[in-house]
Amino acid sequence: AQSVAQPEDQVNVAEGNPLTVKCTYSVSGNPYPFWYVQYPNRGLQFLLKYITGDNLVKGSYGFEAEFNKSQTSFHLKKPSALVSDSALYFCAVRGPRAGNMLTFGGGTRLMVKP
Amino acid sequence: GAGVSQSPSNKVTEKGKDVELRCDPISGHTALYWYRQSLGQGLEFLIYFQGNSAPDKSGLPSDRFSAERTGGSVSTLTIQRTQQEDSAVYLCASSLSTGGGDSNQPQHFGDGTRLSIL
Repeated sequence: AQSVAQPEDQVNVAEGNPLTVKCTYSVSGNPYPFWYVQYPNRGLQFLLKYITGDNLVKGSYGFEAEFNKSQTSFHLKKPSALVSDSALYFCAVRGPRAGNMLTFGGGTRLMVKP
Repeated sequence: GAGVSQSPSNKVTEKGKDVELRCDPISGHTALYWYRQSLGQGLEFLIYFQGNSAPDKSGLPSDRFSAERTGGSVSTLTIQRTQQEDSAVYLCASSLSTGGGDSNQPQHFGDGTRLSIL
């Protein structure tokens, strides 16, 4: 069975500093990882997805993700954090079954302090 | 609107009652998914619809849960004889396609229905 791990429940960073939110996964076949963000009382908002051949994927709001095939990781990064980036971040991979339903990690709460 | 619309946004009901949750996907999206988000279990897949094909019900936790999608658009998720463990946020998502070269299409989520069973 496939799985996604987000080893940190919470990441704290000062505004203006770089941030990293970690994600590793275990899948059969080719991985197609995604990142989503969730603000309070809202649904999940798509941030970015892995594009075959790109080890550094750029997404919305200045976020990017680093794909490492050998380490089966897809860490989310941003060079300079904003207070407004504070939210819950989910890493996900699409399923091996037809339909591509997503398997999610447990989520990481990002707190950016002024 | 342009996004996935879910109703109601909040639902409080007594244990043992039936509830019906509605999802209106993005126009033109052929794939529709239901997920459940709860404190103990995180985000779990429930059921998936693609066009007029038979749905994939592999994630439904019990036979008290069912869903349908009429006319390939609006979907309703029904929970019969609700239990307290059904309390969660139920999220609906839609995407353009799920196969072939479009298989990496992102899913777009609604804001969910927060279900509370008393």
